[in-house]
Formats: sequence, C-alpha cells, structure tokens
Amino acid sequence: LAKTTQPISMDSYEGQEVNITCSHNNIATNDYITWYQQFPSQGPRFIIQGYKTKVTNEVASLFIPADRKSSTLSLPRVSLSDTAVYYCLVGDALNTGGFKTIFGAGTRLFVKA
Amino acid sequence: DAGVTQSPTHLIKTRGQQVTLRCSPKSGHDTVSWYQQALGQGPQFIFQYYEEEERQRGNFPDRFSGHQFPNYSSELNVNALLLGDSALYLCASSLVRDGFNEQFFGPGTRLTVL
Repeated sequence: LAKTTQPISMDSYEGQEVNITCSHNNIATNDYITWYQQFPSQGPRFIIQGYKTKVTNEVASLFIPADRKSSTLSLPRVSLSDTAVYYCLVGDALNTGGFKTIFGAGTRLFVKA
Repeated sequence: DAGVTQSPTHLIKTRGQQVTLRCSPKSGHDTVSWYQQALGQGPQFIFQYYEEEERQRGNFPDRFSGHQFPNYSSELNVNALLLGDSALYLCASSLVRDGFNEQFFGPGTRLTVL
C-alpha cells in the first residue's frame, strides 16, 4: 500500500482557493487517488477520486501529474464550513480480493473570516 | 435513502467487558468496512466484509471480530475491552464498479472504556 504524506495543517481565508498537496511516491499502477473530508465527530465524506490528469466535480478539482507521485486537491472559494480535516488515500479500487483503506493523519484546514 | 446507519451512537463499558456495534450499509452496497478512530488521528482500518466473509484485515488483534449478514448489515465485536479501545468506530459501505470505489461512512459509534 502506498504511503501518503500531507501537510499537517493549513490556514486560509473565506473566498480564497485552497490547494492541498499529497505525496505518494510508491503509488502502484492500479492505484487510484481518493480524497475525503471529515468534520469533528462525523464519518469521513468522499470528495473526489482520480487516476490521472485532472478530475473536477461540483465541490473540488483533483490534479494528478503524469508521474502520479503526487496529487493536489483544489477547493475553490472556500467558506467557513470548509474547515475540516482532509485525507488523501491511495489504493487499488479494482482489487477483487478486497481492499484496505489506509488513512494518514490528514490535513487540518482552518478557514478564517 | 438512509445512507449508512450505526448503532448505538454512544456506549460506555468497563475494562474486560465485551461490546457489539452494528452497521447497516447504504442501500445497494454489498461491502462493509470497519475503522477505529482515536481522538486526533485518522481512521485505522480494522477489517472488511464481503459476501459474509472477512476478506481483508488491518493490524488489529483477534479480540476484534465481525460478522456480515445476508442483508449485508454487519456487526463489530470487541472482547476483553481495554482502555485503549476507547475511540470512534466507523462503518463504511461501498460497491465496486468500473474501477471506481467510493466509501460511504456512517456517523460512528463513540465507545468509552472506563
């Protein structure tokens, strides 16, 4: 399982774009990159998943360079409610034998007014 | 769709006791995973159930066991509770399709061991 490294914390202001980068140097060919968001005392919530290049949905964008050894979660125009912990995960979603999801410590994003 | 539900929401036990936590997956999901999350840390994978069998396991002792029922719901059992077992226990359900796997997490069960 590829290990991920993220900044421990980040601060931002409302209305700014926030980019959180995750390093995963040992990512395997079949691995996908997934990001989750977690608020205190709640379960993590899926944000976005990708394999290569760029993926965009209604809440975020995920940028993955050609070597796939890192990825960047981009949150456009954050608000106070985006204050949460963000986790980057790498794993083989096609593993028919089951999969282990390994969470790191995550990045604590604090959005200020 | 009720999403993933877990019961109970909170539980207080004493050392040495046994506990059973329950999880109902999101409608249509057939895979259930359990996680332990200590305060200030990321969730730690305990195990995963599919077709009523444990098919992946994290680094947890045999005191942690589980079960999945034909309706895909699942139980997590912890025997001989230790103080260190105090944590938020999360259940997540998923359905693998077309290389895309999104896990839906429940709200968790807060276990306190005294």
